[in-house]
Amino acid sequence: TQLLEQSPQFLSIQEGENLTVYCNSSSVFSSLQWYRQEPGEGPVLLVTVVTGGEVKKLKRLTFQFGDARKDSSLHITAAQPGDTGLYLCAGADTYNNNDMRFGAGTRLTVKP
Amino acid sequence: EAQVTQNPRYLITVTGKKLTVTCSQNMNHEYMSWYRQDPGLGLRQIYYSMNVEVTDKGDVPEGYKVSRKEKRNFPLILESPSPNQTSLYFCASRQGIGLGYNEQFFGPGTRLTVL
Repeated sequence: TQLLEQSPQFLSIQEGENLTVYCNSSSVFSSLQWYRQEPGEGPVLLVTVVTGGEVKKLKRLTFQFGDARKDSSLHITAAQPGDTGLYLCAGADTYNNNDMRFGAGTRLTVKP
Repeated sequence: EAQVTQNPRYLITVTGKKLTVTCSQNMNHEYMSWYRQDPGLGLRQIYYSMNVEVTDKGDVPEGYKVSRKEKRNFPLILESPSPNQTSLYFCASRQGIGLGYNEQFFGPGTRLTVL
């Protein structure tokens, strides 16, 4: 079983601050995804990273896939209240893309 | 609008009373799955289906059944619900399997309470 550990579990910051959340595993993944889930809704895909060392930017969000494809980070610059939500990472098994594992998530609160 | 719908959104029931949660997608996706989400445990897959009449167990299938008679629908059945099945349930679909098809589209969730 591939376990994905996300840290921190909870994060509360003021508007305008920067933050980084992490997704770590001892397993290698063929791809890794980040989702954001808002209260009362299902997760929505933010990004998929595939190549070790890959960096993708989505406005104020920067996603990085570790060189060994075992870990990933999400950095948010100048956080806004609209960034509040549960951030989930999900890794696809190297040998079976059908098998995707989710971390427990980081719950982010951005206060105005 | 491309979407995954689930019904009901909220359900309170009693132990042993059979229930069905419906799931439907309008994207012609082949792959559908059910997850439960519990605090601290993340999303855990219950069952998945790679196409019509093809279903398989996920990580936590005990106490659940599914069927896939049509491509768009994938109902989750609890024959005899128990309190440990109290959870938030999500249905998801994606175009297929393989690296280029990993984006999952999730429904809005069904919050189930079993008393």
